Amino acid sequence: DAGVTQSPTHLIKTRGQHVTLRCSPISGHKSVSWYQQVLGQGPQFIFQYYEKEERGRGNFPDRFSARQFPNYSSELNVNALLLGDSALYLCASSLAPGDSFPYEQYFGPGTRLTVT
Amino acid sequence: EDQVTQSPEALRLQEGESSSLNCSYTVSGLRGLFWYRQDPGKGPEFLFTLYSAGEEKEKERLKATLTKKESFLHITAPKPEDSATYLCAWGGATNKLIFGTGTLLAVQP
Repeated sequence: DAGVTQSPTHLIKTRGQHVTLRCSPISGHKSVSWYQQVLGQGPQFIFQYYEKEERGRGNFPDRFSARQFPNYSSELNVNALLLGDSALYLCASSLAPGDSFPYEQYFGPGTRLTVT
Repeated sequence: EDQVTQSPEALRLQEGESSSLNCSYTVSGLRGLFWYRQDPGKGPEFLFTLYSAGEEKEKERLKATLTKKESFLHITAPKPEDSATYLCAWGGATNKLIFGTGTLLAVQP
């Protein structure tokens, strides 16, 4: 079975530009979460989506937005890129949103974003 | 402040030398404690979820345990291919995970 897939693998952008990152969850998984991982740190939660609705948001500015499509794939958008947005962006999928307990989350390979 | 702390930050072992990694959390309302393995430049690979104090899970040379305030990842007779960063994460009543900064494990032949 295919795992979580993300595209593109690498991306180089200039400050002020906009970027869109894409994620396809494991077949049968309906919840997608996005994380940002800077070098030397653990992943930091950005968003969770379930059935096209936002279920959770981390402490990130409004420049970050996301959406989920009917096929459960997802996009993360970042506007007005800053140098500090350079990081590995990870997508994780799980069966369900975890309303009372957290489900196992499976991560994709990530998109390495470099902002110059 | 919600926090997950891992120790040590880095650990170097000889092949076959068993040891343990620690994960402690000051977050209240634990519903699940997760362990992941991450190789350089790759996404975290799921290892274990522990849901209640006293629970233990094993996979090959790894065993994870959970108490009320911390979790341990025991590595028995490690091999060089076990070298990676090991991440733990706290999970509450949602799928939002709070990660520690990880333990970088190097196993020398």
